[in-house]
Amino acid sequence: EVQLLESGGGLVQPGGSLRLSCAVSGFTFSSYAMSWVRQAPGKGLEWVSAISGSGGSTYYTDSVKGRFTISRDNSKNTLYLQMNSLRAEDTAVYYCAKDVWFEELSGAFDIWGQGTMVTVSS
Amino acid sequence: EIVLTQSPATLSLSPGERATLSCRASQSVSGYLAWYQQKPGQAPRLLIYDASNRATGIPARFSGSGSGTDFTLTISSLEPEDFAVYYCQQRRNWPPFTFGGGTKVEIK
Repeated sequence: EVQLLESGGGLVQPGGSLRLSCAVSGFTFSSYAMSWVRQAPGKGLEWVSAISGSGGSTYYTDSVKGRFTISRDNSKNTLYLQMNSLRAEDTAVYYCAKDVWFEELSGAFDIWGQGTMVTVSS
Repeated sequence: EIVLTQSPATLSLSPGERATLSCRASQSVSGYLAWYQQKPGQAPRLLIYDASNRATGIPARFSGSGSGTDFTLTISSLEPEDFAVYYCQQRRNWPPFTFGGGTKVEIK
């Protein structure tokens, strides 16, 4: 069974840091691009960042560039999101999501984790 | 950045009725549009990719159509489990991949 399991969320003060993890099982992790998508409370979905299967290419939405870093450890089947200089507007549920197609960063997401909540507040 | 506008914001229908949801893009996304369903407290689920292709395991009552800037998700006959929020998403011009604001399908 394909599974994505996020962890690492919590309460952090403005300006603080968190590292989210997404543990993957049930498919060949290194063959698929992955993304992080977030959802602020009561709001819609917002794509945050993506990484190719090899980890060699990364992409970000403008509002997190320079503050967030996506990475992956294919030996551990784990995706990460390092979040620094956190702001109140980063408060959201963060989902990791698997790309649909083999060895292509396509931007269609067929498998999602259950999400981890990040709250930025003093 | 491509902006996706979904309408209506809320659709009030009864089980068994047909649901028609709209998604309009600020510029052409060709056929690179997906639809997701999200229920309260759950992660989104991919329904349709590339405008008209049903994802694995999605019932045939869900269908997608359109190209360019105008797209439609149709649910031919609403089942009780279909009452949820639906999002469209484009992958034509990125980054960023962008989502619409969502349409809530509620029980009338």
